[in-house]
Amino acid sequence: EDKVVQSPLSLVVHEGDTVTLNCSYEVTNFRSLLWYKQEKKAPTFLFMLTSSGIEKKSGRLSSILDKKELFSILNITATQTGDSAVYLCAVDNTNAGKSTFGDGTTLTVKP
Amino acid sequence: DAGVIQSPRHEVTEMGQEVTLRCKPISGHDYLFWYRQTMMRGLELLIYFNNNVPIDDSGMPEDRFSAKMPNASFSTLKIQPSEPRDSAVYFCASSLRGYTFGSGTRLTVV
Repeated sequence: EDKVVQSPLSLVVHEGDTVTLNCSYEVTNFRSLLWYKQEKKAPTFLFMLTSSGIEKKSGRLSSILDKKELFSILNITATQTGDSAVYLCAVDNTNAGKSTFGDGTTLTVKP
Repeated sequence: DAGVIQSPRHEVTEMGQEVTLRCKPISGHDYLFWYRQTMMRGLELLIYFNNNVPIDDSGMPEDRFSAKMPNASFSTLKIQPSEPRDSAVYFCASSLRGYTFGSGTRLTVV
């Protein structure tokens, strides 16, 4: 059974701090790993990672995948209160055609 | 592109009543997923379709839950009869590469 474990489960930081969120996985027939941000409503897509060692970057957010060690990290630099959200990691299985989600990391950024 | 459209946004119903949730996926997406999200259990996959055909419904909690996708642009999730423990946010998502989620239906069964 495919499995995704995120850590930490929750994190409280102050504006300006840098955070690193972790996602480890076990999946047969890995296709891709995806990161989502969920505020009060539906998850919104952040990144899709398919290859090891290639950093994806969007503003203050960046992510990288290690397919040998089976994990990914999501970095947020110079955090802002608007970054407060649940960050979800999911992995796609080529055979199942669906993603397996982790439980998420709840990030709270204090002013 | 209007994204994935779900209706209703909120539903409050009495225990025992039938509830129908609706979803319109993004045109061209060949996968459609129904998820349920609660504080206790996080995001749970209930069922998913590929090209309108149900592929995996092992996440459907009980026979009270059923889902249909009569065509590529419409899907329903029905709960009959509803129970208080069904209270949750129900998300529909469609996928080509990476998911796009709808805004969800917040269901409260009293």
